[in-house]
This record gives sequence, structure tokens and C-alpha cells, in this order.
Amino acid sequence: EIVLTQSPGTLSLSPGERATLSCRASQSVSSSYLAWYLQKPGQAPRLLIYGASSRATGIPDRFSGSGSGTDFTLTISRLEPEDFAVYYCQQYGSSPRTFGQGTKVEIK
Amino acid sequence: EVQLVQSGAEVKKPGESLKISCKGSGYSFTTYWIGWVRQMPGKGLEWMGIIYPGDSDTRYSPSFQGQVTISADKSISTAYLQWSSLRASDTAMYYCARPAGPFYYSPFDYWGQGTLVTVSS
Repeated sequence: EIVLTQSPGTLSLSPGERATLSCRASQSVSSSYLAWYLQKPGQAPRLLIYGASSRATGIPDRFSGSGSGTDFTLTISRLEPEDFAVYYCQQYGSSPRTFGQGTKVEIK
Repeated sequence: EVQLVQSGAEVKKPGESLKISCKGSGYSFTTYWIGWVRQMPGKGLEWMGIIYPGDSDTRYSPSFQGQVTISADKSISTAYLQWSSLRASDTAMYYCARPAGPFYYSPFDYWGQGTLVTVSS
């Protein structure tokens, strides 16, 4: 099973700042099958990024993903008020498809 | 419009059985995988397993194998998650989800609203 470790656990930033979230895998993620999700309180997760760097439908371009192998990054170029939430990475290239433990982006 | 509509919240006692549902609409139910994800109170997301309704091919996470059963009834476009004997530790929100494309290696792009299961004596 691939273990995904996200860091930091919590990121305290102000609106307009840049956010950089990390996701590290215990072994190489097949074909960069790495996704990022955002979850707001009381809501289902929403897909942001798939294939490590492709934005899902309707996702603004301030969200970008990068990385390959075992190291992946989600960058939010300028935080908007609606971006403060919990972010999860997930690998879907091998079974079981595992999630990271999440990074909370909170308002400073 | 693709929609996944889950059954309502449940309150059960330890040892009871339960089957929750996820009805798909707006697409060909038999040609897309549907998965289940657990979220315990205040915790992260856990991938439980996935089923292909076309032929009922089912894959489980080792953490959930033998603990739950995933099934689907393609005649009514509905997937199910069931327990034969609930425990307090099964208290959680359960989401069904579908990938954007009809491929096994595809992330979840459509999600149900979640079903809250509470197990308490």
C-alpha cells in the first residue's frame, strides 16, 4: 500500500498570499496518477487536480499541481477567501487508492 | 447532469446490520466505476473500495475487506455499502463517488452528498 504524507499539517496564511502544499509518497506513484481535492466543512470533497498537474473542469488557474515519482506539490498562487479549507492528495494508480492525511489552510 | 444521491442518515445500535445506497443518474450507470470513501468524525478520507456495476467487479481496500460489502443493482442504477454487524467505530460519514471518465485509473470527480452513520448503544 502506498502511504501518502502531506505537509504541513496546517498552513496559516492571509488572503492574497501564496500557498505551497506537499504530498510525499512512500513509493513511486504510477504514471503520475496523483490527484488533489479540496474539502470545505460540511461538504463533499471536490477534485482540483488530476494526473499530478491537470486542472479539473471549472478549477481556476490560481491552482496548479506539479511533481512526479514520490514528490508532488499543490500551489495556490493567490489565496482567495473561499480557498481556506482542507486539501487532500490521493494516488489512484495502485490498489488500494490511498489518501494523504490532509493539510488545513487557515486564515492567519 | 451527473448526480449521485445517497440515502439518509442512519442511527443504529452495535451489532445491527445496515445497507446504505447511492443512486446514479444522468449517465450510463453500468459503464463507470463507483467507489466508497469513509470519513470518521474530524478525520481524513479513507478509500474503502470500488465496484464496476456492469459486471459487479469489486475491489476492496485491505483495511475494509471482510468488514463491509459493496454491491450494485444496475436495474435501478444504485450502488450499496452494507454491514452485517455494526460497531461503534463504524460511526462516520460515508461518501459514494464516481470518476470523471469510464476508466479504472481515474480520480473521483462526482461525489454524493454523504450518508452519516451513527452507531451507539
